[in-house]
Amino acid sequence: AQTVTQSQPEMSVQEAETVTLSCTYDTSESNYYLFWYKQPPSRQMILVIRQEAYKQQNATENRFSVNFQKAAKSFSLKISDSQLGDTAMYFCAFKTPYGGATNKLIFGTGTLLAVQP
Amino acid sequence: DTGVSQDPRHKITKRGQNVTFRCDPISEHNRLYWYRQTLGQGPEFLTYFQNEAQLEKSRLLSDRFSAERPKGSFSTLEIQRTEQGDSAMYLCASSLPTGTGDSYGYTFGSGTRLTVV
Repeated sequence: AQTVTQSQPEMSVQEAETVTLSCTYDTSESNYYLFWYKQPPSRQMILVIRQEAYKQQNATENRFSVNFQKAAKSFSLKISDSQLGDTAMYFCAFKTPYGGATNKLIFGTGTLLAVQP
Repeated sequence: DTGVSQDPRHKITKRGQNVTFRCDPISEHNRLYWYRQTLGQGPEFLTYFQNEAQLEKSRLLSDRFSAERPKGSFSTLEIQRTEQGDSAMYLCASSLPTGTGDSYGYTFGSGTRLTVV
């Protein structure tokens, strides 16, 4: 079975600083997709960044970047120049392509990030 | 078409009553998913549809739960004889068809928060 583990229930960072959120996953599949989602308080979940496992280059979206270590099954999220609006619950998620081991997103338990002014 | 819509946003019901939630996906998305999220946890998969066909159901979806997507557009999730343990946020998401949709993740609605008293 595929599993996603986020070992940091809560984290705090000062505004303008950098923070890294950890995620590990377990799968025997070789082709899959990884995602980070952000869920602000009382608001809907939005996609932050995604990574395709067959691509060695780490994905980057503005202030957000990932460190994808396929052999270690690790997928961490780095937020640079943290802003107050980054305060949210962050979920790591895993999915295989249609027809693979799992046809739906599997989520970790989340990391609550608080950006302090 | 501004995104995935869910109705109602909040529902308070007495134990034993039936409730029904509605989800309207993005029009060009043929896949629709239901997830349940309890406080401080990641979303847990309940079921998903490709067009009008329900292709997978989680073991979490007991006999009291039923989901439909009769014309391949909107979907409903009904819970019969509600229990206090059903209290949660029920999230709906949709995605593009196989291939493109696999790597782009899902678009989530704002959810329906159910409280069973």
